[in-house]
Amino acid sequence: EDQVTQSPEALRLQEGESSSLNCSYTVSGLRGLFWYRQDPGKGPEFLFTLYSAGEEKEKERLKATLTKKESFLHITAPKPEDSATYLCAVQAMMRGSTLGRLYFGRGTQLTVWP
Amino acid sequence: GAGVSQSPSNKVTEKGKDVELRCDPISGHTALYWYRQSLGQGLEFLIYFQGNSAPDKSGLPSDRFSAERTGGSVSTLTIQRTQQEDSAVYLCASSLGSSNQPQHFGDGTRLSIL
Repeated sequence: EDQVTQSPEALRLQEGESSSLNCSYTVSGLRGLFWYRQDPGKGPEFLFTLYSAGEEKEKERLKATLTKKESFLHITAPKPEDSATYLCAVQAMMRGSTLGRLYFGRGTQLTVWP
Repeated sequence: GAGVSQSPSNKVTEKGKDVELRCDPISGHTALYWYRQSLGQGLEFLIYFQGNSAPDKSGLPSDRFSAERTGGSVSTLTIQRTQQEDSAVYLCASSLGSSNQPQHFGDGTRLSIL
């Protein structure tokens, strides 16, 4: 069965303390790996798409990388406003369509304190 | 606004009642997805639409759940004879009609069954 596992479940960082979040996956027919940020009471906000091993994407203090079985979201010098739940999702093929459903991990809840 | 719009934002109803949730996707997005997010659980895929058709309904939890989409735009998710285990946040997402495109989410409908 397809599975996406994120670790750690929760992470507390002091402002400026860099760290990484992990997303490991087992899925057949991978089409892409997606990172989202979710704030309380809001829907997931799209951050990055990664398609192939070795690919990297950056946005402000965030950098996402992909290997054949896992992805990392690196957070450099985080600020309190980076506090959120970070979700990883993989896209696999649906039968009868070129579109892919998303399989989500349970997320990493990040808290950055001043 | 240019984002995915969902209504109502909150819904409280009694067990056994029917509820209807609405999703208005981003203009021009031909693919539309419904997910469910329960407390402590990851996002659970329910159904997706390609245009007005739903090629895969296998994610719907039971035959009490149904969804439709008309005019290639607005979609409604209907839950009949609601049960307490239906309490969750129901999220809608849309994407351009091709694979590998990121799905953009609304802020969801928080459904509480008393």
